[in-house]
Amino acid sequence: DTAVSQTPKYLVTQMGNDKSIKCEQNLGHDTMYWYKQDSKKFLKIMFSYNNKELIINETVPNRFSPKSPDKAHLNLHINSLELGDSAVYFCASSLGSEQYFGPGTRLTVT
Amino acid sequence: RKEVEQDPGPFNVPEGATVAFNCTYSNSASQSFFWYRQDCRKEPKLLMSVYSSGNEDGRFTAQLNRASQYISLLIRDSKLSDSATYLCVVLNTGNQFYFGTGTSLTVIP
Repeated sequence: DTAVSQTPKYLVTQMGNDKSIKCEQNLGHDTMYWYKQDSKKFLKIMFSYNNKELIINETVPNRFSPKSPDKAHLNLHINSLELGDSAVYFCASSLGSEQYFGPGTRLTVT
Repeated sequence: RKEVEQDPGPFNVPEGATVAFNCTYSNSASQSFFWYRQDCRKEPKLLMSVYSSGNEDGRFTAQLNRASQYISLLIRDSKLSDSATYLCVVLNTGNQFYFGTGTSLTVIP
């Protein structure tokens, strides 16, 4: 059984488009996260939700909007995609101090 | 200043060697510390937590020095399968995780 799943795994799109990435966890965790890993492999927190409430919102362009319909889901919508948005986006969840990551969504903006 | 700093490497070591990675963190109020492993084109996975007293898991030993704000990971008897990027991770107040840039390890036959 997949603990943290993301869809799609790969996403290729053109500049200016709007796209969404979905994340689901079946671990019963309270907290979920979105991270961006750029070409230099640096993993940076974007957002964190605890029980559907936003608790961390790092300096991210407001073209990025997370949505948590329930505790098990945290989706990421991106408007007006730019070349610099190309990266791998990881969803994660945690209960306490241990984090579990999804397989990542490799976004390529052309 | 970055929250977590690591030497990116790469470290290229022969099988059977012992290799050590170091990491420093800037926030003295940091609560918890971890090493994660990330294989190429895969997600990070928890390798081990790091406790103040130091802890060992098989060939892996983690140490924490709160006074110096320093974390280390020692791998003994390196295997080819240890080749990966090792990420130092710190959990601060507010439940926020900070990741180092990772240290790349290649174990050579």
